[in-house]
Amino acid sequence: AQKITQTQPGMFVQEKEAVTLDCTYDTSDQSYGLFWYKQPSSGEMIFLIYQGSYDEQNATEGRYSLNFQKARKSANLVISASQLGDSAMYFCAMALGKFYFGSGTKLNVKP
Amino acid sequence: DGGITQSPKYLFRKEGQNVTLSCEQNLNHDAMYWYRQDPGQGLRLIYYSQIVNDFQKGDIAEGYSVSREKKESFPLTVTSAQKNPTAFYLCASSIQTGLSKAFFGQGTRLTVV
Repeated sequence: AQKITQTQPGMFVQEKEAVTLDCTYDTSDQSYGLFWYKQPSSGEMIFLIYQGSYDEQNATEGRYSLNFQKARKSANLVISASQLGDSAMYFCAMALGKFYFGSGTKLNVKP
Repeated sequence: DGGITQSPKYLFRKEGQNVTLSCEQNLNHDAMYWYRQDPGQGLRLIYYSQIVNDFQKGDIAEGYSVSREKKESFPLTVTSAQKNPTAFYLCASSIQTGLSKAFFGQGTRLTVV
């Protein structure tokens, strides 16, 4: 069964605007971690942000924030003030004994 | 600097040959992972290891083998039994399986010729 779902295969955003990348997850465990990674065309995986299932506040890291809605089982990534260098694949992941990854969202930032 | 090193970056293999991808980490992490990524797709787990001398199959283990004789090393062998081995392979490690983030290597791009 799919544990991580990213429903947006591709998205466009205008430079300097904010964008939200969707992620939903499926687990009955109470303790888990949620992550977002960025993968530029070079292939490396860059860690962006982490949210623990017991964290009450949404995680933030610079221009990245994670909109965590536990009851809805969603962990959307919000990128504020998009930059051209944000164009990449973005993966949502859940740590639950091992790591489960979504299928990714390809973000294109337009000048 | 601590990190994960994968080698080689590019690898070409003839059909019917086994090939081994290297993954070394100096982060003192217990858990290590191998993922396969096909073009435009997500990451699929091949094998993972939580401790030395122990490893478990992931979702697509057929045609692959691993070993974990040392904490810092987790090599992946792509055997001739793997029908479609051309892909991008990523190695990762974390403090332990569970809630800690995974650190990734730069990846190895394997092409069967």
